[in-house]
Amino acid sequence: EVQLLESGGGLAQPGGSLRLSCAASGFTFFNYAMHWVRQVPGKGLEWVSSISNSGSKIFYADSVKGRFTISRDNSKNTLYLQMNSLRADDTAIYYCAKAFRVTAVFERLFDYWGQGILVTVSS
Amino acid sequence: EIVMTQSPATLSVFPGERATLSCTASQSLTSSLAWYQQKRGQPPRLLIYDASTRATGIPARFSGSGSGTEFTLTISSLQSEDLAIYYCQQYHNWPPLTFGGGTKVEIK
Repeated sequence: EVQLLESGGGLAQPGGSLRLSCAASGFTFFNYAMHWVRQVPGKGLEWVSSISNSGSKIFYADSVKGRFTISRDNSKNTLYLQMNSLRADDTAIYYCAKAFRVTAVFERLFDYWGQGILVTVSS
Repeated sequence: EIVMTQSPATLSVFPGERATLSCTASQSLTSSLAWYQQKRGQPPRLLIYDASTRATGIPARFSGSGSGTEFTLTISSLQSEDLAIYYCQQYHNWPPLTFGGGTKVEIK
């Protein structure tokens, strides 16, 4: 059974940092691209960042570029999101999501999602 | 950036009736369009990809159609468990990946 478990969320001050982790199990982690998607409670979905299976290709939304860093440790089956210079508008539930398929082209669909972790940025 | 627009924002349907949800893209996606279902307090669930292919385990009452800029998700016979918000997502041109604003399906 595929499981994705996010951790590391909580309250941060504006300008502060948090590091999210996503522990993956139930599938061959190093074969799949991984993604972070966020959702302001009660609002829609916003793609944040993606990383290829090897970590060699990385993409960010403009809203987080230069402040957030996605990474992965395939030996630990874990995905990370380092969030720096946090702003109030980063307040959201952050989901890690598994790419749907192993493909030659970077997979941009998500089939399994974690339960999400709340990040609140407030003074 | 490709902008995704969903309509209506809220759809109220009697059980057993058909629900039709629309998603419009600001430029052609060919068929690179997915639909997700999000129930209250849960993460999204992939329903449809490549505009019309049901994901594994998705009931046959869910179907997707369309290409280019106009897409439709149809629930042929609405069940009470279909109460959810439905999002479309384009994956034709990125970054960024973009979602529509969602359609909330209510049971009359």
